[in-house]
Amino acid sequence: DQQVKQNSPSLSVQEGRISILNCDYTNSMFDYFLWYKKYPAEGPTFLISISSIKDKNEDGRFTVFLNKSAKHLSLHIVPSQPGDSAVYFCAASADNFNKFYFGSGTKLNVKP
Amino acid sequence: GAGVSQSPSNKVTEKGKDVELRCDPISGHTALYWYRQSLGQGLEFLIYFQGNSAPDKSGLPSDRFSAERTGGSVSTLTIQRTQQEDSAVYLCASSFRRGGGETQYFGPGTRLLVL
Repeated sequence: DQQVKQNSPSLSVQEGRISILNCDYTNSMFDYFLWYKKYPAEGPTFLISISSIKDKNEDGRFTVFLNKSAKHLSLHIVPSQPGDSAVYFCAASADNFNKFYFGSGTKLNVKP
Repeated sequence: GAGVSQSPSNKVTEKGKDVELRCDPISGHTALYWYRQSLGQGLEFLIYFQGNSAPDKSGLPSDRFSAERTGGSVSTLTIQRTQQEDSAVYLCASSFRRGGGETQYFGPGTRLLVL
């Protein structure tokens, strides 16, 4: 039973526009969320995180929003650049950080 | 500085054979994770090591899978009597725990193909 879901396997966006990647979770015990970016033939790299005590965290062009009541988080990339084209995974953990649950990923394609 | 390294990068084996996958974490990282990613799927947690504590093996899919971490550093994931459904990318990650959160640094993965 997948506890973290990314329902959009792919997303295509024009360069300069906003990319919005979505993630839903089912476990109300999750209190720490992360986004990773993965290029082909490489391991995922950490992008941005958010604790459940916040509803927004911003880092440059990347902003993560958390809606605890809806058990939903999203990653906004503004403005999108061709180099952002990659697979994006969201992940969640409960407070012991022993185990991280990952979504199946969304492949973002930013067109020049 | 060196990141997480994994070897081999690719492994092709025959059904029924045993394989060993190696992970060298970042020096000083006390936590080490193994995941696998099957085709079209997300990352599936396998096992977690933290310092000298007993590992969390709750993600291992069967008793054919085992892992050890020697000296708190290098880790080996062993799959015995491989099956075709074991074909996947096996990813290792390490992290340095700190209060309030944790991030993992991933290796490039080992692509396992069981024929």
